[in-house]
Amino acid sequence: NAGVTQTPKFRILKIGQSMTLQCTQDMNHNYMYWYRQDPGMGLKLIYYSVGAGITDKGEVPNGYNVSRSTTEDFPLRLELAAPSQTSVYFCASSYSGSISNQPQHFGDGTRLSIL
Amino acid sequence: AQKVTQAQTEISVVEKEDVTLDCVYETRDTTYYLFWYKQPPSGELVFLIRRNSFDEQNEISGRYSWNFQKSTSSFNFTITASQVVDSAVYFCALSEAKAAGNKLTFGGGTRVLVKP
Repeated sequence: NAGVTQTPKFRILKIGQSMTLQCTQDMNHNYMYWYRQDPGMGLKLIYYSVGAGITDKGEVPNGYNVSRSTTEDFPLRLELAAPSQTSVYFCASSYSGSISNQPQHFGDGTRLSIL
Repeated sequence: AQKVTQAQTEISVVEKEDVTLDCVYETRDTTYYLFWYKQPPSGELVFLIRRNSFDEQNEISGRYSWNFQKSTSSFNFTITASQVVDSAVYFCALSEAKAAGNKLTFGGGTRVLVKP
């Protein structure tokens, strides 16, 4: 029972490089999310998705893009990496059935440094 | 707009002491959900509790207890007889029923250090 799986766990990028953070879940959850956590801070929502083909911006979407072609996968793309994007990135998913606002299940995070 | 405030950034206690973490929230929605998550030093986020706005009963789970007071918009968390394994960052979070995708707004977190 893997839950939410994120890859890679660690990555160092140079300024201006691009990369995709992968996220997959095996719980058949419709809702998926990407957060970033800066040192000593809480989590801030970057993008979220309520189902395959549907995505929307969160609180801090600038510099990122997402897609959701399947229920299982929700990759996050950084096009032109900047030092301000150095952070820990968490992917999460949650159930979207008749019981409202179920807890979100989180992956283990991706620690990204941009130098 | 919804907001969650955890005024205590860090609390240090000696093992077996009780520790209470404060959480104050703001929302215009009449139906909402409150959560607590634990982030141990290993970094993952662990779900602890979910409470809806219509259920003001306090809850106890082992050494953990939660006090929800709508009158003061607070959802405080107490660890009784703390242990070293309780050392972690604890986050309070809010989700409004009307929010698309059940989005969560997190507080800034409270770091708890339990010394042996």
